[in-house]
Amino acid sequence: DTGVSQDPRHKITKRGQNVTFRCDPISEHNRLYWYRQTLGQGPEFLTYFQNEAQLEKSRLLSDRFSAERPKGSFSTLEIQRTEQGDSAMYLCASSLDSTGSSYGYTFGSGTRLTVV
Amino acid sequence: GDSVTQMEGPVTLSEEACLTINCTYTATGYPSLFWYVQYPGEGLQLLLKATKADDKGSNKGFEATYRKETTSFHLEKGSVQVSDSAVYFCALSDEEAGSYQLTFGKGTKLSVIP
Repeated sequence: DTGVSQDPRHKITKRGQNVTFRCDPISEHNRLYWYRQTLGQGPEFLTYFQNEAQLEKSRLLSDRFSAERPKGSFSTLEIQRTEQGDSAMYLCASSLDSTGSSYGYTFGSGTRLTVV
Repeated sequence: GDSVTQMEGPVTLSEEACLTINCTYTATGYPSLFWYVQYPGEGLQLLLKATKADDKGSNKGFEATYRKETTSFHLEKGSVQVSDSAVYFCALSDEEAGSYQLTFGKGTKLSVIP
């Protein structure tokens, strides 16, 4: 078990470009979450998957954002037509739905996006 | 909606000093409460948790008690070490209200000097 992996660790992109991030959860975890963290703030929830189904989305997830989890394994988060306000750390977490709780969250180290 | 308010940082303490980081919350249901820690260059790690009123979570010398009457979950440690320097986040999940997301406070940066 290597934990939750996120790729890339850092991404610098020009405004208007599209970017895609990948998250590989802990293999037996069926829940996967995406959060965004800006400087000096706590992480903010973006979206949540149970297996391949996207069950919850924050209003922060505008039309330019899309997340997928094909086959209930890894997940991708795509941002289209990036804006400077999208600059943030994007965190992925996973958990096992044994008790229906958030106790077992494991976070990845994040992908830091800088839009120039 | 749900929210978490924690004391503003940064907090600077000398080694072996006592630590308290205040955290209060508002929630529609009966939330579970958490403290997460983020060491420099690393991901968020769960430090401790409590799931019902009067529960005390503890780990690595840190403690926090779920106080429903004051809607608080203050983090305490009797004697901090340099290695405790990190950013601490208070969080809640309100699964009773049907949500599996964590709601975080803004974080409190702790620096411990020798």
